[in-house]
Parts: sequence; C-alpha cells; structure tokens
Amino acid sequence: GQNIDQPTEMTATEGAIVQINCTYQTSGFNGLFWYQQHAGEAPTFLSYNVLDGLEEKGRFSSFLSRSKGYSYLLLKELQMKDSASYLCAVSNFGNEKLTFGTGTRLTIIP
Amino acid sequence: ETGVTQTPRHLVMGMTNKKSLKCEQHLGHNAMYWYKQSAKKPLELMFVYSLEERVENNSVPSRFSPECPNSSHLFLHLHTLQPEDSALYLCASSQEFKSNQPQHFGDGTRLSIL
Repeated sequence: GQNIDQPTEMTATEGAIVQINCTYQTSGFNGLFWYQQHAGEAPTFLSYNVLDGLEEKGRFSSFLSRSKGYSYLLLKELQMKDSASYLCAVSNFGNEKLTFGTGTRLTIIP
Repeated sequence: ETGVTQTPRHLVMGMTNKKSLKCEQHLGHNAMYWYKQSAKKPLELMFVYSLEERVENNSVPSRFSPECPNSSHLFLHLHTLQPEDSALYLCASSQEFKSNQPQHFGDGTRLSIL
C-alpha cells in the first residue's frame, strides 16, 4: 500500500519563509508532485521531483530525498495570496496513478 | 484559466434525481480523469480515460457512470446518489496517461445531495 503524510494546517507571516513537509511510503516510486489549491478553485501544478535534490522556481522550491521518502515545499517572501492548500502527490511505476496526501492548509497572516 | 472547464460549478440534487457533470479540456490532451474531493480526505481517483477508452475504475459505485465521447469531453452521469456523495468533483487532463506527467484540473463541481 501507499501512505502519504503532511501537516493538516500551518500558519506563517507575510514576508517570511515556510517549509511544508511531506513523507511517503510507497513501492515503485516514480516522482513527487506539489500542487497549490486556493479555496473553491482548481489545484494547479507547482513542481515535480524525481531525482534527489532541490528544484528552484522563483519564490517556490521543492526538495526530494528518495532514500528517506521525504519531500518539502519551501515558500519564500510569503505573500497573502499564498494562503491556500498545498497537496503532495506521489506517482508510481506500473499503475500510472497519482496518490494524494490530505493537503496542508497554509494561512498567511500580516 | 487552466484550460479545463467544468459545468455546473454548483449542483444541488435529491437522491432520486438524475444529473450529469460536464468537463471540457482545450489543451489537446489524451487522458482525462474524474476525482472526488471530500473535506479532510485525499483526492480520490474515480475514473481514467485514455484516448477515449476507460483504463481505470476504482471500485466506484454504479450510481456514478462516466462517458467520454471524444478526447476533449468527459461526463459523469449521476443517479440515485446518497448523502455521502456530497463533495467536490474535479476533472483533470494530462498529455498522456503517464504518472510522471502533470495533471491540469478544472475548478470542480460542488455537489450537494439532499
């Protein structure tokens, strides 16, 4: 089976940095996605990691450690519009499906 | 604008009604998906179509019936639903049915069963 864990809720201050963690247990790992979902809107693709290391994309970075079954999403220079849910999803060889975590609801305060 | 459009955005129906959810993608993708999103639960994959053929049916009750008439359109026909079926139903598409490709989601249909 597969198991994905991420914190349910986090709060951070405007202008600061926040790290959202995701741990997973799975067989046939084929990459990890991060999506952002604002309330009442579509999840939107943020990043995809399949190799170990850090991928930077503007204010957002995503890190993966395959040996530890661990990823994080790093958001810098936080803005109020970053208040959203962040979904971690793992892909697997063979069944071609994504398995999602429950999401982390991030609230940015002034 | 994600390139995936879902209608209606909101739907309230009784348990004996029949209704359909519609999804259209303008991205030229070959794979389309239906997901169910309930509060405090992960996204649950319901159905997958690749090149208009159903390739996945995750033990979904028969009161949910998908239809994919062409690669740009996907429907979810609803009949005799239960209160626990109230949720956000999301449609998504990807270039191919491959797990390493990002999926593009619509804004969803918020379904409430009375």
